[in-house]
Amino acid sequence: KNQVEQSPQSLIILEGKNCTLQCNYTVSPFSNLRWYKQDTGRGPVSLTIMTFSENTKSNGRYTATLDADTKQSSLHITASQLSDSASYICVVSAGSGGGADGLTFGKGTHLIIQP
Amino acid sequence: GAGVSQSPRYKVAKRGQDVALRCDPISGHVSLFWYQQALGQGPEFLTYFQNEAQLDKSGLPSDRFFAERPEGSVSTLKIQRTQQEDSAVYLCASSLGFRGGPSYNEQFFGPGTRLTVL
Repeated sequence: KNQVEQSPQSLIILEGKNCTLQCNYTVSPFSNLRWYKQDTGRGPVSLTIMTFSENTKSNGRYTATLDADTKQSSLHITASQLSDSASYICVVSAGSGGGADGLTFGKGTHLIIQP
Repeated sequence: GAGVSQSPRYKVAKRGQDVALRCDPISGHVSLFWYQQALGQGPEFLTYFQNEAQLDKSGLPSDRFFAERPEGSVSTLKIQRTQQEDSAVYLCASSLGFRGGPSYNEQFFGPGTRLTVL
């Protein structure tokens, strides 16, 4: 069964500090991996998408890494800001076909930035 | 429109009532998805439409859940005889492409409808 596990479940850090969120997956065949940011009361918004051949991708202060061999991804947030407080969801696609269940969602990491 | 919109944003229902949740996808998007998101959890797939055709409803938890997209644009998720366990945020997402195409999995999410069943 395809699974996506995220850690930690929740995280509290001080404003200005860096943090790294983890995503481990057992999805096959692998197509791509996305990180979403979900603010409270809002729908998820895509931050990055990575395919098999990509190791690192940045979007401003967000940097995602992918190790397709170990089936691990991380999302690193640099110089955190209060607006980074949100849930971060890792989503792995098992291919461009096969229906919507080709997407496997993690449960998310709930990040709180304290001033 | 500029994005996916959903209405109402909040719905409180008494147990046993029927509810209808609306989704307006991005104009021109072929694919439309419904998800259920419990508190502190990731979204769980409910059903998928390609234009007006409901191609996948494997995630619907019971026959009390029904979805339609009669003209291939606006979609409605209906829950009959609501139960307390139906309390969740219901997310709608749309994507430009057909199943199997390159933009199929690039989903844009709406803000969700928070359903509370008392």
